[in-house]
Amino acid sequence: AQSVSQHNHHVILSEAASLELGCNYSYGGTVNLFWYVQYPGQHLQLLLKYFSGDPLVKGIKGFEAEFIKSKFSFNLRKPSVQWSDTAEYFCAVYGNNRLAFGKGNQVVVIP
Amino acid sequence: DGGITQSPKYLFRKEGQNVTLSCEQNLNHDAMYWYRQDPGQGLRLIYYSQIVNDFQKGDIAEGYSVSREKKESFPLTVTSAQKNPTAFYLCASSEGAGGETQYFGPGTRLLVL
Repeated sequence: AQSVSQHNHHVILSEAASLELGCNYSYGGTVNLFWYVQYPGQHLQLLLKYFSGDPLVKGIKGFEAEFIKSKFSFNLRKPSVQWSDTAEYFCAVYGNNRLAFGKGNQVVVIP
Repeated sequence: DGGITQSPKYLFRKEGQNVTLSCEQNLNHDAMYWYRQDPGQGLRLIYYSQIVNDFQKGDIAEGYSVSREKKESFPLTVTSAQKNPTAFYLCASSEGAGGETQYFGPGTRLLVL
């Protein structure tokens, strides 16, 4: 089964700072890639996804992610964060008939 | 208003007791899933169902059971065999089971008394 790695579980940054969250996976076959976000008190929702085509995908709220097949990575970025981006972010990889999640990044944005 | 509903929001379980968590969707999705979320652990798959009257074990199925008698419903029973049931349980659904986007419910927090 595939595994998904997210590093730096806790991230604290100031408003207007740039954010990059790393995601690496182990599965060597064709994959579908997702980033989900869980805002405080809200349910898990889709931020963006990659199935095929342009490896740079744009999602909601100014987030984007880049799929680099050779590095088995799907890193999430946002050039300038806001206080409302405080949330937990999960990378997920579908492959081998399973959606596997990373352990998440708890991001706190200080006003 | 389409979506996934889970009930109850909080559930308390006594030692040796089975409890059932409800999950309903009106998205007309074929596939449904149950995940367990523990702090710092991400989401782990308990069971999934690709179609009515069929379900498969996920990565941590021991101590849990499910049924899928109706397309819109996928209840999860946490049995007394599950020794560490305190967690946040999330239900999800997708149009199919081939890697499509999964949509999540609001979750049920289970606490053991």
